[in-house]
Amino acid sequence: SQKIEQNSEALNIQEGKTATLTCNYTNYSPAYLQWYRQDPGRGPVFLLLIRENEKEKRKERLKVTFDTTLKQSLFHITASQPADSATYLCAHASGGSYIPTFGRGTSLIVHP
Amino acid sequence: EADIYQTPRYLVIGTGKKITLECSQTMGHDKMYWYQQDPGMELHLIHYSYGVNSTEKGDLSSESTVSRIRTEHFPLTLESARPSHTSQYLCASRDNSGNTIYFGEGSWLTVV
Repeated sequence: SQKIEQNSEALNIQEGKTATLTCNYTNYSPAYLQWYRQDPGRGPVFLLLIRENEKEKRKERLKVTFDTTLKQSLFHITASQPADSATYLCAHASGGSYIPTFGRGTSLIVHP
Repeated sequence: EADIYQTPRYLVIGTGKKITLECSQTMGHDKMYWYQQDPGMELHLIHYSYGVNSTEKGDLSSESTVSRIRTEHFPLTLESARPSHTSQYLCASRDNSGNTIYFGEGSWLTVV
């Protein structure tokens, strides 16, 4: 079955730098990948969706890429701020499935 | 802002008690989900529904049950709570015309 893998180690960066988080999937290419933000004790909040036939998607300071050759999606936050500190989850749903599967998430810590 | 609500937010109950976690959404979404998440861990799907009178078990075995009598309401019930049920329970719904998943704030359950 499809697996979503995210780096379990926290990513620590300095304010103003670009944060890059990785999401790898196994087996078949999902129809799309999604990225969510989760703050401690809260439910995840949808950020971006990128489809299989899209290479890149942007929203303000956020950018997501989808590389079907590497079976990987990268999530970038440019000009990072301490308020960007949170856990970022990658999720996928394939084919006709309406059930998203989530990765474990990567914690991002932006230091002032 | 998502219109999906969970109650209670926090609950401490004794072993053997029956508990119902409420979830309501006002967006008219057909598809709804219950996820279980322990701190720092990934989301595990425990139940889902494609519409009224449709309920299915998810990937993670759970002793809970759900019902979907109305589109907007998807309660989760534990007939006899145990300490192993201590966790965060997240309710979610899916946009009918797209792929965005909206989460509630979560219900933190502690069984003592």
